[in-house]
Amino acid sequence: LAKTTQPISMDSYEGQEVNITCSHNNIATNDYITWYQQFPSQGPRFIIQGYKTKVTNEVASLFIPADRKSSTLSLPRVSLSDTAVYYCLVGDSFSGAGSYQLTFGKGTKLSVIP
Amino acid sequence: DAGVTQSPTHLIKTRGQQVTLRCSPKSGHDTVSWYQQALGQGPQFIFQYYEEEERQRGNFPDRFSGHQFPNYSSELNVNALLLGDSALYLCASSPAGRYEQYFGPGTRLTVT
Repeated sequence: LAKTTQPISMDSYEGQEVNITCSHNNIATNDYITWYQQFPSQGPRFIIQGYKTKVTNEVASLFIPADRKSSTLSLPRVSLSDTAVYYCLVGDSFSGAGSYQLTFGKGTKLSVIP
Repeated sequence: DAGVTQSPTHLIKTRGQQVTLRCSPKSGHDTVSWYQQALGQGPQFIFQYYEEEERQRGNFPDRFSGHQFPNYSSELNVNALLLGDSALYLCASSPAGRYEQYFGPGTRLTVT
């Protein structure tokens, strides 16, 4: 399974764009890159998933360069409610029956400051 | 539509005791996974149930066992509790074959 490296923590002011970068040098050809968000005392929540180039949804954008050895989660104009831990996941296994086994690292703790 | 629900919310047990945690998946989901999250760490995969069978298992001892019922709900059992078992236990559900998983709020287990 590909290992990921993310910053342990980041601070940002309200209204700014936040970019969280994840390194995954050993990503395999068929691996997708997925980001989850976790608020205190809650379970993680799926944010976005991509394979290459750029993916955008109503919550965030995901930028993946051609070599796919890193990815950047971009959160536009953050608010206090975006304070959470953000996890980058790569290369999760699937046995062929059921669903995927997710492998979480320690994530990036984002603190949004008023 | 209710999401993933877990019970109880909090639980305090003594070393050596046994505990059972419960999970009801999101409507339409037939696969249930369990994760353990220690303080300050990311969730760690325990095991996954599909069609009432354990399909995948993480690096957890046999003290951790589970069950899935015909209505897709699931239980996590932990025997001979250790202090190190204190953690947030998360249940996640998904339709079979899908990557995106929906997590419940978790059960906070404290072992004293």
